[in-house]
This record gives sequence, C-alpha cells and structure tokens, in this order.
Amino acid sequence: GQNIDQPTEMTATEGAIVQINCTYQTSGFNGLFWYQQHAGEAPTFLSYNVLDGLEEKGRFSSFLSRSKGYSYLLLKELQMKDSASYLCAVPVQTGANNLFFGTGTRLTVIP
Amino acid sequence: DTAVSQTPKYLVTQMGNDKSIKCEQNLGHDTMYWYKQDSKKFLKIMFSYNNKELIINETVPNRFSPKSPDKAHLNLHINSLELGDSAVYFCASSPPRATNEKLFFGSGTQLSVL
Repeated sequence: GQNIDQPTEMTATEGAIVQINCTYQTSGFNGLFWYQQHAGEAPTFLSYNVLDGLEEKGRFSSFLSRSKGYSYLLLKELQMKDSASYLCAVPVQTGANNLFFGTGTRLTVIP
Repeated sequence: DTAVSQTPKYLVTQMGNDKSIKCEQNLGHDTMYWYKQDSKKFLKIMFSYNNKELIINETVPNRFSPKSPDKAHLNLHINSLELGDSAVYFCASSPPRATNEKLFFGSGTQLSVL
C-alpha cells in the first residue's frame, strides 16, 4: 500500500524561504509529484522527481531521497500568492497515473 | 481555452436524488480520471478511463457510475445521493499511460447533499 506524511499547516513570512517535507511509503517507486492547490481551485502541477537530488525551477525546488523515502519542496522569496496547499503524491501502479495524494500542507504567507 | 472543463461548478441537491457531473478535455489525452476531495482536503482517485475503457475502479459504491462516450469525455452519474457524498469532485486527464506525466485537473464540482 501507500502512505504519505506531510505537516498539516505551516506559516512563513513574505520574502523568506520555507521547506515543506514529505515522507512516503510505496511498493514500487515510480517518482514523486508536488502539486499546488489554491483554496477553491484545482491542483496544478509543480514538479516531478524520479532520481535523487535537487531539481530547481525558478523560486521552487524539489528534492528527493529514494533511500530515505523523503522529499521536500523548497519555496524561496515567498510571495503572498504562494499561500496555498501543497500536495505530495506518488503513482500507485506502473504504467498508469493513478496518483496517491497526501493530505497536503496548507501554507500561509504573512506580511 | 479551457483544457479540462467540468460542469456544474456547484451542485446542491437533496438526499436520494440522482445527479450527473460532466467533464470534457480538449488536450487530446487518452486517459481521464475522477478524483474526490473530502472536507479534510484528502484527494482520492475514484475512476480512471483510458480511451473509453475503465482501467481503475477504486472502492467506490456502485451508486457511482462513470460513463465515457468518447476519449474526450468522462461523465460521472451518482444515484441515490447520500450526505457523505458531499465533497468536491475533480475530473482530470493525462497523456497516454506513463507514470511521469502530470495530471491536468478541471476546476472541480462542489457537491452539497442536504
């Protein structure tokens, strides 16, 4: 089966850096996704990691350690619009995009 | 140009009624999904169709019946609605089966059963 653990809520200050952690257990690892979901809106894709290491994409970076079952999303130069839920997800079966999502981390950015 | 569109956005109905949610994607994707997001924001797969064929059917009451008339449409029909069905339902699509392909979500349908 699958299991994902993320902190429920986080608060950070505008302009700061925040790291959102995700630990996962899954049978047959096929990569890890991060999605962003603003309140009342659909989730949107942020990143996909399948190899160990850090992938940087502008202000957002995502890190993966397969041996530790661990990932994090790093948000730099926080902006008010970054206030949202951040969902960690893993594919459930090979050859399909049936994603198992964590319950998400609700990030609040304060002035 | 909306990539994945679903209607209605809000649906308020009484217990026991039957309702449908429609979903269409214009991305040319082969695979479409229905996800349910409950009040605790837990997003869970319900169904997945690949080119009109059902490939994933999670443990969902048989009151829920997906229908895919063609690969661009996946509708969700719910019979005998119950209070516990209240949630946000998201339709999504993705390119042909590959685990590294991202999902494109519709804007969601907030279903409230009274």
